[in-house]
Amino acid sequence: AQRVTQPEKLLSVFKGAPVELKCNYSYSGSPELFWYVQYSRQRLQLLLRHISRESIKGFTADLNKGETSFHLKKPFAQEEDSAMYYCALNTGNQFYFGTGTSLTVIP
Amino acid sequence: EAQVTQNPRYLITVTGKKLTVTCSQNMNHEYMSWYRQDPGLGLRQIYYSMNVEVTDKGDVPEGYKVSRKEKRNFPLILESPSPNQTSLYFCASSLLPSQGGKAFFGQGTRLTVV
Repeated sequence: AQRVTQPEKLLSVFKGAPVELKCNYSYSGSPELFWYVQYSRQRLQLLLRHISRESIKGFTADLNKGETSFHLKKPFAQEEDSAMYYCALNTGNQFYFGTGTSLTVIP
Repeated sequence: EAQVTQNPRYLITVTGKKLTVTCSQNMNHEYMSWYRQDPGLGLRQIYYSMNVEVTDKGDVPEGYKVSRKEKRNFPLILESPSPNQTSLYFCASSLLPSQGGKAFFGQGTRLTVV
């Protein structure tokens, strides 16, 4: 069963526009959720995790347990945000990754 | 510096010729895993290990083997590579899932099987 769903494989936005990358998860317990980012030709790196409730590079994500979602948002997209984004779930037993969303910010 | 190191970064091989991709971490992590990344399919877990001598299949284990003889190393072995194993491979390490925390990824190995 797919534990983490990222419905958009590709997403394009114009520079300065708001961006939202969707992530839904399937888990009945207390989840630990992450967003990882992969810039071109680089390794995956942690962008943010829901426990920290932090904002990294202007991105935020709020865990909505009612909707089982953890969407990633940024009010004003920048060209350097173009990358592959993965949502990930830790159930306490295992890690699960979504299929990723490739974000392109158009100048 | 905390890191996960994979070698080689790039590899071209022929069908059937056994190969090993090494992965090493210096963070004393118990959990290590291998993923393959393919366009449109994202990251798919091949194998994972919760500790030394403890390994388990992920979502796509067919055609792969792993071993965990030491805590820091988790090599991925392709006994008889086939063209459908052409992919970008990532190794990752972290604390155990039950302990929470983030995963650290290697720089990736791009494998081409001809």
